[in-house]
Amino acid sequence: EPEVTQTPSHQVTQMGQEVILRCVPISNHLYFYWYRQILGQKVEFLVSFYNNEISEKSEIFDDQFSVERPDGSNFTLKIRSTKLEDSAMYFCASSTSNGAFFGQGTRLTVV
Amino acid sequence: AQRVTQPEKLLSVFKGAPVELKCNYSYSGSPELFWYVQYSRQRLQLLLRHISRESIKGFTADLNKGETSFHLKKPFAQEEDSAMYYCALGIRSNYKLTFGKGTLLTVNP
Repeated sequence: EPEVTQTPSHQVTQMGQEVILRCVPISNHLYFYWYRQILGQKVEFLVSFYNNEISEKSEIFDDQFSVERPDGSNFTLKIRSTKLEDSAMYFCASSTSNGAFFGQGTRLTVV
Repeated sequence: AQRVTQPEKLLSVFKGAPVELKCNYSYSGSPELFWYVQYSRQRLQLLLRHISRESIKGFTADLNKGETSFHLKKPFAQEEDSAMYYCALGIRSNYKLTFGKGTLLTVNP
């Protein structure tokens, strides 16, 4: 069964550094997303991506964040200058009309 | 704006007992409702969609538009059902999901 895969599984970075989180969505899916979950809180929508452009973004997704689909398979989330409060679990997802399928997540720790 | 409320943070039942995880939603449009499950150290997995009206692992959920609810039910809980359960509301235009805070279900032997 096809799965969404994310790398790395855990990333530790210093405050102010740039990080890139990587995802390989399910190949025939058209919608891609990033969500995050701060420890002890709910899963929050960050951004959706369709037809090679952002279709919606939340208030959390400010100028420090960007997404790209650099080739036919990868979907990346870049945080330009990380802050302590960016520490969270980041989930990539892809979907069809049948529902969204999630990757296993990247735990980002900003120190 | 859409909102999903799961009033119980924790729910503990004994094996074989019925279980109901509550979910209420708020949305002005026509919602799509989902239940996701997250077993320990695993990814979020799609459990149920209201549109499919199916039973997965013995779980069912019925969309009640009058009460704006989508409660998850199982008549006889099993220990392997212990997990975090998230109710989510989907927007049809881009399938974006709004999640509830989740309910941690523990099924005791």
